[in-house]
Amino acid sequence: GAGVSQSPRYKVAKRGQDVALRCDPISGHVSLFWYQQALGQGPEFLTYFQNEAQLDKSGLPSDRFFAERPEGSVSTLKIQRTQQEDSAVYLCASSFARLGVQNTGELFFGEGSRLTVL
Amino acid sequence: DAKTTQPPSMDCAEGRAANLPCNHSTISGNEYVYWYRQIHSQGPQYIIHGLKNNETNEMASLIITEDRKSSTLILPHATLRDTAVYYCIVRVVQLSFGAGTTVTVRA
Repeated sequence: GAGVSQSPRYKVAKRGQDVALRCDPISGHVSLFWYQQALGQGPEFLTYFQNEAQLDKSGLPSDRFFAERPEGSVSTLKIQRTQQEDSAVYLCASSFARLGVQNTGELFFGEGSRLTVL
Repeated sequence: DAKTTQPPSMDCAEGRAANLPCNHSTISGNEYVYWYRQIHSQGPQYIIHGLKNNETNEMASLIITEDRKSSTLILPHATLRDTAVYYCIVRVVQLSFGAGTTVTVRA
């Protein structure tokens, strides 16, 4: 489809395991965001890319969280040594707008990757 | 980004207009008001946004007060499929979601 695609949709990990979550944004979209949504709460901002540059990573909760977008398209969110509190839905969103310059533009969200850490 | 305040929940009747209020008293001049909604188990979906003029699209209308300290999202004819959590957000760059308003449309 033409929307934001995330994989896997569901991931169960044992505590201490490393996980990688993938986001395929809409083709041509410059801006890419990662959000974390705990059960019953609104999404919380994690990090933002403009092309391959990570312009804001202020929302990453610890140094176990790492995101990259090496070619300015697909992005991967990696969580090392997962903990139970990492259990959440991880949402990716993209936008055509070059945010910060054009502070408008719709964000298109994927359906998320649900991570459960046992 | 400025914070927003929304009622935690509201009910509305199918076929009637749903008016969702939002307070954003600390909004600054370059911040837009955005509305998104999230239907269960899906990613958030854009509805509408505005700066200071009222806006209308095929989904909804957005009324922003003259002082920009509050706004109202209007769903003109609510259907059961409009049952969702609605988020009002003021934004410079990234969206900062609050808890939203859970809207339940009843037949």
